[in-house]
Amino acid sequence: AQSVAQPEDQVNVAEGNPLTVKCTYSVSGNPYLFWYVQYPNRGLQFLLKYITGDNLVKGSYGFEAEFNKSQTSFHLKKPSALVSDSALYFCAVRDPPRNTPLVFGKGTRLSVIA
Amino acid sequence: NAGVTQTPKFRILKIGQSMTLQCTQDMNHNYMYWYRQDPGMGLKLIYYSVGAGITDKGEVPNGYNVSRSTTEDFPLRLELAAPSQTSVYFCASSYGTGPTYEQYFGPGTRLTVT
Repeated sequence: AQSVAQPEDQVNVAEGNPLTVKCTYSVSGNPYLFWYVQYPNRGLQFLLKYITGDNLVKGSYGFEAEFNKSQTSFHLKKPSALVSDSALYFCAVRDPPRNTPLVFGKGTRLSVIA
Repeated sequence: NAGVTQTPKFRILKIGQSMTLQCTQDMNHNYMYWYRQDPGMGLKLIYYSVGAGITDKGEVPNGYNVSRSTTEDFPLRLELAAPSQTSVYFCASSYGTGPTYEQYFGPGTRLTVT
Protein backbone atom coordinates (compact mmCIF):
# COMPACT_ATOMS: atom_id res chain seq x y z
CA ALA A 1 0.00 0.00 0.00
CA GLN A 2 1.12 3.52 -0.67
CA SER A 3 2.32 5.63 2.23
CA VAL A 4 4.08 8.89 2.92
CA ALA A 5 6.15 10.03 5.89
CA GLN A 6 7.03 13.48 7.09
CA PRO A 7 9.70 12.88 9.72
CA GLU A 8 9.59 16.35 11.30
CA ASP A 9 6.56 17.62 13.20
CA GLN A 10 8.05 21.13 13.37
CA VAL A 11 10.63 23.05 11.40
CA ASN A 12 11.92 26.42 12.56
CA VAL A 13 13.87 28.73 10.28
CA ALA A 14 14.94 32.35 10.38
CA GLU A 15 13.50 34.72 7.83
CA GLY A 16 15.73 34.97 4.77
CA ASN A 17 17.30 31.56 5.32
CA PRO A 18 16.62 28.59 3.06
CA LEU A 19 14.04 26.10 4.21
CA THR A 20 13.52 22.40 3.65
CA VAL A 21 10.51 20.30 4.64
CA LYS A 22 11.15 16.61 4.26
CA CYS A 23 8.96 13.91 2.74
CA THR A 24 9.58 10.27 1.92
CA TYR A 25 7.17 7.91 0.22
CA SER A 26 6.47 4.26 -0.47
CA VAL A 27 4.57 3.06 -3.55
CA SER A 28 4.59 0.02 -5.76
CA GLY A 29 5.13 1.89 -9.02
CA ASN A 30 6.22 5.34 -10.12
CA PRO A 31 4.62 7.84 -7.77
CA TYR A 32 2.60 10.95 -8.29
CA LEU A 33 3.67 13.36 -5.52
CA PHE A 34 2.04 16.52 -4.23
CA TRP A 35 2.66 19.26 -1.68
CA TYR A 36 -0.14 21.22 -0.04
CA VAL A 37 -0.08 24.10 2.45
CA GLN A 38 -2.63 24.89 5.14
CA TYR A 39 -2.84 28.32 6.72
CA PRO A 40 -4.62 28.71 10.07
CA ASN A 41 -8.36 28.04 9.91
CA ARG A 42 -8.21 27.41 6.18
CA GLY A 43 -8.47 24.44 3.85
CA LEU A 44 -5.46 22.95 2.10
CA GLN A 45 -4.03 24.72 -0.93
CA PHE A 46 -2.13 23.02 -3.72
CA LEU A 47 1.54 24.06 -4.02
CA LEU A 48 3.13 21.79 -6.59
CA LYS A 49 3.24 18.28 -7.98
CA TYR A 50 5.59 15.79 -9.59
CA ILE A 51 4.14 13.52 -12.24
CA THR A 52 7.03 12.82 -14.60
CA GLY A 53 9.98 14.54 -16.25
CA ASP A 54 12.35 17.00 -14.57
CA ASN A 55 13.12 16.00 -11.01
CA LEU A 56 13.00 19.61 -9.84
CA VAL A 57 9.50 21.03 -9.92
CA LYS A 58 8.55 24.62 -9.23
CA GLY A 59 5.32 25.70 -7.64
CA SER A 60 3.46 28.56 -6.08
CA TYR A 61 4.94 31.25 -3.80
CA GLY A 62 8.54 30.46 -4.78
CA PHE A 63 8.48 26.88 -3.51
CA GLU A 64 10.13 24.00 -5.31
CA ALA A 65 10.57 20.31 -4.64
CA GLU A 66 13.08 17.74 -5.74
CA PHE A 67 12.07 14.21 -6.63
CA ASN A 68 14.73 11.65 -5.74
CA LYS A 69 13.77 8.17 -6.83
CA SER A 70 16.75 6.38 -5.27
CA GLN A 71 16.03 7.92 -1.88
CA THR A 72 12.23 7.81 -2.36
CA SER A 73 12.05 11.44 -1.27
CA PHE A 74 10.25 14.58 -2.36
CA HIS A 75 11.55 17.38 -0.14
CA LEU A 76 10.00 20.84 -0.32
CA LYS A 77 12.41 23.77 -0.53
CA LYS A 78 12.53 27.52 -0.74
CA PRO A 79 15.71 29.58 -1.10
CA SER A 80 14.65 32.42 1.21
CA ALA A 81 11.92 31.95 3.82
CA LEU A 82 9.31 34.58 4.62
CA VAL A 83 7.37 34.99 7.85
CA SER A 84 4.21 34.56 5.76
CA ASP A 85 5.39 31.03 4.83
CA SER A 86 4.59 29.92 8.39
CA ALA A 87 1.93 27.24 7.99
CA LEU A 88 1.26 23.50 8.04
CA TYR A 89 2.67 21.62 5.05
CA PHE A 90 1.42 18.27 3.79
CA CYS A 91 3.07 15.86 1.40
CA ALA A 92 0.78 13.44 -0.47
CA VAL A 93 1.28 10.50 -2.81
CA ARG A 94 -0.77 8.54 -5.26
CA ASP A 95 0.14 5.16 -6.73
CA PRO A 96 -0.77 5.42 -10.42
CA PRO A 97 -1.45 1.77 -11.27
CA ARG A 98 -4.21 1.65 -8.69
CA ASN A 99 -5.62 5.12 -9.38
CA THR A 100 -6.45 5.46 -5.71
CA PRO A 101 -7.13 8.68 -3.80
CA LEU A 102 -4.27 10.69 -2.40
CA VAL A 103 -2.61 9.52 0.80
CA PHE A 104 -1.44 12.39 2.99
CA GLY A 105 1.40 12.63 5.47
CA LYS A 106 0.82 13.87 9.01
CA GLY A 107 2.01 17.35 8.19
CA THR A 108 4.97 19.51 9.20
CA ARG A 109 4.49 22.82 10.91
CA LEU A 110 6.85 25.46 9.56
CA SER A 111 7.63 28.50 11.67
CA VAL A 112 9.61 31.31 10.10
CA ILE A 113 11.01 33.67 12.70
CA ALA A 114 11.67 37.32 11.91
CA ASN B 1 -15.98 30.65 -9.14
CA ALA B 2 -16.60 30.11 -5.44
CA GLY B 3 -14.65 26.83 -5.60
CA VAL B 4 -15.51 24.35 -2.84
CA THR B 5 -17.89 25.63 -0.18
CA GLN B 6 -18.80 23.92 3.09
CA THR B 7 -21.51 24.59 5.64
CA PRO B 8 -21.65 24.99 8.56
CA LYS B 9 -18.28 26.37 9.63
CA PHE B 10 -18.74 25.25 13.23
CA ARG B 11 -21.12 22.89 15.00
CA ILE B 12 -21.51 21.41 18.46
CA LEU B 13 -23.47 18.17 18.69
CA LYS B 14 -24.60 16.10 21.62
CA ILE B 15 -23.82 12.39 21.64
CA GLY B 16 -26.38 10.51 19.57
CA GLN B 17 -27.53 13.47 17.52
CA SER B 18 -27.39 13.48 13.74
CA MET B 19 -26.33 16.09 11.23
CA THR B 20 -25.37 16.62 7.63
CA LEU B 21 -22.27 18.47 6.53
CA GLN B 22 -22.86 20.17 3.22
CA CYS B 23 -20.32 20.44 0.40
CA THR B 24 -20.78 22.11 -2.97
CA GLN B 25 -18.34 22.77 -5.80
CA ASP B 26 -18.91 24.91 -8.88
CA MET B 27 -15.92 23.75 -10.94
CA ASN B 28 -17.72 20.83 -12.62
CA HIS B 29 -15.28 18.39 -11.03
CA ASN B 30 -15.99 14.70 -11.30
CA TYR B 31 -14.20 13.59 -8.15
CA MET B 32 -15.21 14.67 -4.65
CA TYR B 33 -13.81 13.65 -1.27
CA TRP B 34 -14.44 13.93 2.45
CA TYR B 35 -11.53 13.99 4.89
CA ARG B 36 -11.25 14.40 8.62
CA GLN B 37 -8.26 16.10 10.19
CA ASP B 38 -7.30 15.26 13.74
CA PRO B 39 -4.40 17.04 15.48
CA GLY B 40 -1.07 15.48 14.58
CA MET B 41 -2.74 12.85 12.43
CA GLY B 42 -2.90 14.49 9.04
CA LEU B 43 -5.90 13.86 6.81
CA LYS B 44 -7.85 10.64 6.74
CA LEU B 45 -10.13 9.87 3.81
CA ILE B 46 -13.71 9.08 4.85
CA TYR B 47 -15.53 8.65 1.53
CA TYR B 48 -15.03 9.67 -2.04
CA SER B 49 -17.06 9.82 -5.23
CA VAL B 50 -15.97 9.53 -8.85
CA GLY B 51 -19.20 10.97 -10.21
CA ALA B 52 -22.90 11.41 -9.59
CA GLY B 53 -24.43 8.22 -8.22
CA ILE B 54 -21.09 6.60 -7.39
CA THR B 55 -19.47 6.58 -3.95
CA ASP B 56 -16.79 4.50 -2.27
CA LYS B 57 -15.35 4.06 1.18
CA GLY B 58 -12.08 5.55 2.22
CA GLU B 59 -9.85 4.73 5.16
CA VAL B 60 -12.25 5.67 8.00
CA PRO B 61 -15.89 5.35 6.80
CA ASN B 62 -17.51 3.95 9.96
CA GLY B 63 -20.14 6.22 11.44
CA TYR B 64 -20.61 8.20 8.24
CA ASN B 65 -22.73 8.05 5.09
CA VAL B 66 -22.61 9.96 1.83
CA SER B 67 -24.65 10.44 -1.29
CA ARG B 68 -23.90 12.04 -4.66
CA SER B 69 -27.07 12.87 -6.53
CA THR B 70 -25.55 15.73 -8.52
CA THR B 71 -22.10 16.64 -9.77
CA GLU B 72 -22.03 19.72 -7.53
CA ASP B 73 -23.07 18.34 -4.15
CA PHE B 74 -21.54 15.73 -1.85
CA PRO B 75 -23.12 15.81 1.63
CA LEU B 76 -21.68 13.84 4.55
CA ARG B 77 -24.14 12.41 7.08
CA LEU B 78 -23.38 11.58 10.71
CA GLU B 79 -26.21 9.42 12.06
CA LEU B 80 -25.31 8.88 15.72
CA ALA B 81 -22.64 11.34 16.75
CA ALA B 82 -19.89 10.08 19.04
CA PRO B 83 -17.07 11.98 20.77
CA SER B 84 -14.59 10.18 18.49
CA GLN B 85 -16.08 12.13 15.60
CA THR B 86 -14.89 15.41 17.04
CA SER B 87 -12.65 16.69 14.26
CA VAL B 88 -12.27 19.17 11.44
CA TYR B 89 -13.92 17.95 8.24
CA PHE B 90 -12.73 18.95 4.80
CA CYS B 91 -14.43 18.44 1.50
CA ALA B 92 -12.34 18.43 -1.68
CA SER B 93 -12.81 18.00 -5.40
CA SER B 94 -10.66 17.30 -8.44
CA TYR B 95 -11.17 17.34 -12.18
CA GLY B 96 -11.08 14.31 -14.39
CA THR B 97 -10.55 10.65 -13.81
CA GLY B 98 -6.76 10.60 -13.97
CA PRO B 99 -4.49 10.50 -10.96
CA THR B 100 -2.46 13.59 -11.87
CA TYR B 101 -5.05 16.15 -10.95
CA GLU B 102 -4.64 18.16 -7.76
CA GLN B 103 -7.45 18.47 -5.26
CA TYR B 104 -9.20 21.69 -4.29
CA PHE B 105 -10.27 21.96 -0.66
CA GLY B 106 -13.09 23.74 1.10
CA PRO B 107 -12.53 25.82 4.25
CA GLY B 108 -13.59 23.04 6.62
CA THR B 109 -16.23 22.35 9.25
CA ARG B 110 -15.12 22.18 12.88
CA LEU B 111 -17.32 19.65 14.69
CA THR B 112 -17.38 19.03 18.42
CA VAL B 113 -19.37 16.14 19.90
CA THR B 114 -19.98 16.31 23.65
